[in-house]
Amino acid sequence: KQEVTQIPAALSVPEGENLVLNCSFTDSAIYNLQWFRQDPGKGLTSLLLIQSSQREQTSGRLNASLDKSSGRSTLYIAASQPGDSATYLCAVIRPGGFKTIFGAGTRLFVKA
Amino acid sequence: GAVVSQHPSRVICKSGTSVKIECRSLDFQATTMFWYRQFPKKSLMLMATSNEGSKATYEQGVEKDKFLINHASLTLSTLTVTSAHPEDSSFYICSAISQPQTEQYFGPGTRLTVT
Repeated sequence: KQEVTQIPAALSVPEGENLVLNCSFTDSAIYNLQWFRQDPGKGLTSLLLIQSSQREQTSGRLNASLDKSSGRSTLYIAASQPGDSATYLCAVIRPGGFKTIFGAGTRLFVKA
Repeated sequence: GAVVSQHPSRVICKSGTSVKIECRSLDFQATTMFWYRQFPKKSLMLMATSNEGSKATYEQGVEKDKFLINHASLTLSTLTVTSAHPEDSSFYICSAISQPQTEQYFGPGTRLTVT
């Protein structure tokens, strides 16, 4: 059974700091992995999608890596800003049927 | 990116009534739609997978007679919460994909409160 764990559960950093969010999964047989952002009371915004054959994806200040063999992904946020404050969710998409298993998320607070 | 809408965004209903939530893909045809439920400060829990023109596949522990899902067209799926109870109060989110692509596009969510 696929389980997705995110560490830390919560993080508070000063503005400008670079930070890393961690995601681990128990079954390396994944189709792809996706990082999302969720603001309080809102839906999900897709940040980065990494196909199982890829090692990383970049978008602006965000970089996500994937190591299937060790069951890990990281989301790197450079030069954090108060507007980055949100919950970040890691999700693993299983092959066949595209079912998605979510981690519990990391709540990020960036202080001005 | 692709857009998925949900309607209503917020609904309050009385215990015992039924509520329908719509999920629409606005600019693409969704071969598969998913319905999730999110409890406060918790992650998303997959409720069911819906393919256009066929019966939804429900996850273990989800009552299919209580949460009726219909995927009548390639752009619309509906979730009906029947005989709602206060414990059904939650944030319901849908997502859609258009195969062979696998990126999921999420709707903004529907906040259901049952009084």
